Amino acid sequence: GEDVEQSLFLSVREGDSSVINCTYTDSSSTYLYWYKQEPGAGLQLLTYIFSNMDMKQDQRLTVLLNKKDKHLSLRIADTQTGDSAIYFCAERDRGSTLGRLYFGRGTQLTVWP
Amino acid sequence: AAGVIQSPRHLIKEKRETATLKCYPIPRHDTVYWYQQGPGQDPQFLISFYEKMQSDKGSIPDRFSAQQFSDYHSELNMSSLELGDSALYFCASSAAPGGAGDEQFFGPGTRLTVL
Repeated sequence: GEDVEQSLFLSVREGDSSVINCTYTDSSSTYLYWYKQEPGAGLQLLTYIFSNMDMKQDQRLTVLLNKKDKHLSLRIADTQTGDSAIYFCAERDRGSTLGRLYFGRGTQLTVWP
Repeated sequence: AAGVIQSPRHLIKEKRETATLKCYPIPRHDTVYWYQQGPGQDPQFLISFYEKMQSDKGSIPDRFSAQQFSDYHSELNMSSLELGDSALYFCASSAAPGGAGDEQFFGPGTRLTVL
């Protein structure tokens, strides 16, 4: 299956920008997703991008995609303590029309006041 | 807005027992996915259903089975439970599978603990 890699930890100060990085292996067209998981909670879909796009912005969130390097990043502007959570990058299986997702290990974001 | 409902939220079982997890998708969603998330791990795809038929199968043990019913809710049946089955089990639903985005909306999960 697809291999999705993320760094495990990130700490930032409140008000700073956070950048969470992800690499993937599937070179064909697919969708890439960012999910947020708070302690004891489910996975909340934040945003997604199709692999023929370079960038997508949604309020404080900016997704950048470097197709050549198969690198995806999620930038959170003006990070707040409420943004502290685990962030998962996920890739949709191109071989499945019904879209099973492959997840990275997740990045634990800690926001200090 | 209505979300994916899973029940129970917590379940404690002994080894070799059976467990049934239930998932109620978002109204008008016809596709259901099951994922297993072990402690400190990423969610792993188990199985999915579209229009009550199994559509895709991942790393689901033979001891597990699942189905989707006429009202689109799904149940994951787990038998001969092992300690390693302790995990958070997520259900997700989507509409228009294969369509633009095909966003999967996740439920809160069922935390299964096998003693």
